[in-house]
Amino acid sequence: GQQVMQIPQYQHVQEGEDFTTYCNSSTTLSNIQWYKQRPGGHPVFLIQLVKSGEVKKQKRLTFQFGEAKKNSSLHITATQTTDVGTYFCAGAFGNEKLTFGTGTRLTIIP
Amino acid sequence: DTAVSQTPKYLVTQMGNDKSIKCEQNLGHDTMYWYKQDSKKFLKIMFSYNNKELIINETVPNRFSPKSPDKAHLNLHINSLELGDSAVYFCASSRLGQGSGEQYFGPGTRLTVT
Repeated sequence: GQQVMQIPQYQHVQEGEDFTTYCNSSTTLSNIQWYKQRPGGHPVFLIQLVKSGEVKKQKRLTFQFGEAKKNSSLHITATQTTDVGTYFCAGAFGNEKLTFGTGTRLTIIP
Repeated sequence: DTAVSQTPKYLVTQMGNDKSIKCEQNLGHDTMYWYKQDSKKFLKIMFSYNNKELIINETVPNRFSPKSPDKAHLNLHINSLELGDSAVYFCASSRLGQGSGEQYFGPGTRLTVT
């Protein structure tokens, strides 16, 4: 079946450093979504990217969708302790189900 | 107001028992889902319902049976619980169909089978 791979699995950064997680699919996606799950919490929608090469920003977060619509990235500038959590990408193949990536668990060293 | 609610939040039970988890959304969404998140945090879809009709049924043992009495509710019944069923189960809903729009997740039900 369709898979969405995400790297790295874990990332530990000093507070104030930048953080990036990458998402890859072997087949073209119709759109990609990003979710954040705080420890002990539930996934919360962050953003959806639809167009090839699309870039969207939310304050310190920058989301990109690759030109071929097979990969995406989430970059956080100057991490803060509130950024702690697991970040999931979720790829949609046509009108089929959303396939979640394996997630990147971010921990911040104060 | 809670958008997607689940009960119970925690469920501890013994192997072989039957249990149910309930989910309700007050967002007016047509599509609802059940996801399983294992100890490694992998999030996998189990079922998807659109307006009470089963749309997605992943490779899930038939001990798991979803039921949607109306489009605001999607319950999950599990028969003959096994140790491997221990996980967090999330209900979610979306306005658009699967893959097309943001999903709103419930708080999760942590199931522990002993």
